[in-house]
Amino acid sequence: QVQLQESGPGLVRPSQTLSLTCSVSGGSISSGGHYWTWMRQPPGQGLQWLGHISPGGSPFYNPSLDPSLKRRVVISVDTSKNQFSLDLSSVTAADTAVYYCAAKLVTGWLDPWGQGTLVAVSS
Amino acid sequence: EIVMTQSPATLSVSPGERATLSCRASQSVSTNVAWYQQVPGQAPRLLIYAASTGATGVPARFSGSGSGTEFTLTISSLQSEDFAVYYCQQYHNWPLFTFGPGTKVDFK
Repeated sequence: QVQLQESGPGLVRPSQTLSLTCSVSGGSISSGGHYWTWMRQPPGQGLQWLGHISPGGSPFYNPSLDPSLKRRVVISVDTSKNQFSLDLSSVTAADTAVYYCAAKLVTGWLDPWGQGTLVAVSS
Repeated sequence: EIVMTQSPATLSVSPGERATLSCRASQSVSTNVAWYQQVPGQAPRLLIYAASTGATGVPARFSGSGSGTEFTLTISSLQSEDFAVYYCQQYHNWPLFTFGPGTKVDFK
């Protein structure tokens, strides 16, 4: 089974861009069967789906995201490194959360998940 | 958007007791529901998919049931490692999905 591991800075200054990478091992990121997904979880809160990128490299963003968030999210893939990434621009304290990458199967459920990485937005 | 609600918000249970968690969808999602367990400080872990199929490696004490709009996760005899937050997820309209707000299972 594939394994996922997030990496990136744990502290980002307000108005800067949060950039995270998810490394995939145990399988090719460009093979079919998985849609590479970013989730986040603010402290003490539930799970929020940000979007995914397809095996072919097409991003899809959660249409239910608040517009002010949706326009700041970019998901991309680097097949040469077997990684996919999340960029979240113009961050504020409200973007402080644990960010998870996960593999969404074509059937719809998410398995597995990365361990998560806490990103704090603070000056 | 399909809204998932979960009840109760918190369930206080003693080890060895049975726990029954409920999840309701705002419209029919057939059996397109998964359940996840999140132990504090850890990532969510898939327990159940297709409403009632156990994921690989999940102990048999976890079972799921339901279809349409009403779903249940049952833990037959709670172990210490089962005290966690449980989320249901619907994935009825690919590629969209939504999660419920979670049920926290804690010590009575």
